[in-house]
Amino acid sequence: GAVVSQHPSRVICKSGTSVKIECRSLDFQATTMFWYRQFPKQSLMLMATSNEGSKATYEQGVEKDKFLINHASLTLSTLTVTSAHPEDSSFYICSARDYYEQYFGPGTRLTVT
Amino acid sequence: AQTVTQSQPEMSVQEAETVTLSCTYDTSESDYYLFWYKQPPSRQMILVIRQEAYKQQNATENRFSVNFQKAAKSFSLKISDSQLGDAAMYFCAYRSAINYGQNFVFGPGTRLSVLP
Repeated sequence: GAVVSQHPSRVICKSGTSVKIECRSLDFQATTMFWYRQFPKQSLMLMATSNEGSKATYEQGVEKDKFLINHASLTLSTLTVTSAHPEDSSFYICSARDYYEQYFGPGTRLTVT
Repeated sequence: AQTVTQSQPEMSVQEAETVTLSCTYDTSESDYYLFWYKQPPSRQMILVIRQEAYKQQNATENRFSVNFQKAAKSFSLKISDSQLGDAAMYFCAYRSAINYGQNFVFGPGTRLSVLP
């Protein structure tokens, strides 16, 4: 099946710094990519939806200036957490969709100290 | 807006036995997809099974099968011959077949433990 990769798998950063997470569709072109956040023992919460070459659409309550999403190509989307704080510590999952199917990346654990 | 409910936060099953996870959903759409995803401790989301709403036949994938009751808006997952590797969080999910750009609507999840 199709593969979605995320890099890095784990990242620790200091409070106030920015961190970038990459999401790549390895063997297909993704028309749409989704970014989720998952807290421990909870379900996935959609943060934003992005289409290649367009601005991302953010869900209500998600700060677009804090969580910058760039969908530069049909195989790459990035999520940048700017001026990270400890409350941004979480598990971030990307998902990529071709016309019919949607595939999930393995996730990135972000810890802000 | 669509909603997905999983009323069992936790379930347990003895190895080799059968367990059924419940899921109900609410929608006004007539065409949609329903999914069960497994999230093991690695946190990778794994598609277990998918059902198209227009198909009356229940989907099956090896030891996994669903009971899809469209009128009742119910979509339960049956795991037969449970194995230790089935222990995970299971999420029921809905996706519109009409509004292509719409994201999944996930349920809150059911944590399944498999007892040796």
